[in-house]
Amino acid sequence: EDKVVQSPLSLVVHEGDTVTLNCSYEVTNFRSLLWYKQEKKAPTFLFMLTSSGIEKKSGRLSSILDKKELSSILNITATQTGDSAIYLCVHTGTASKLTFGTGTRLQVTL
Amino acid sequence: NAGVTQTPKFQVLKTGQSMTLQCAQDMNHEYMSWYRQDPGMGLRLIHYSVGAGITDQGEVPNGYNVSRSTTEDFPLRLLSAAPSQTSVYFCASSNRDWGTEAFFGQGTRLTVV
Repeated sequence: EDKVVQSPLSLVVHEGDTVTLNCSYEVTNFRSLLWYKQEKKAPTFLFMLTSSGIEKKSGRLSSILDKKELSSILNITATQTGDSAIYLCVHTGTASKLTFGTGTRLQVTL
Repeated sequence: NAGVTQTPKFQVLKTGQSMTLQCAQDMNHEYMSWYRQDPGMGLRLIHYSVGAGITDQGEVPNGYNVSRSTTEDFPLRLLSAAPSQTSVYFCASSNRDWGTEAFFGQGTRLTVV
């Protein structure tokens, strides 16, 4: 059974801090790893990672995949209160079945 | 740009009642799936479909039925609601290619009393 584990489960930081969220996976047939941000409603897409070592970047957010270590990290620099959310790491497998991690709840305080 | 539309957004049911959660997408996606999200558990797959007329069970299928008569629609039926089915339900769709982004509906918050 495919498994995705995220750490930490929750995190409180001050505005301006840099955070690193971790995701490790154990899957039988790796396809891709997705990162989503979930605020009050549906998850919104951040990144899709398929190749090891290639950083994806969008503004203050970046992510990279390490297939050797079966892991990925999501970095957020200069955090803002609007970054407060649950960050989900997801593996896409056969027939696009998604295996979700439990998520990391990030709270950014002033 | 409707994307994935889920209805209703909120629902309260009594134990034993049945209901259908609706999901429709207008992106001509082949793959559609239903998830439930419970605190501390992440999202778990209930049922999924790889195309019209084809459905399969996910991780937590008991108590739910699905059908896929058209590409656009993928309703989720609760046969006899139980308090354990209190959750937030998300429908998602994606196109045929492996590893592509999934698009989510806005969710249905269901409470069974």
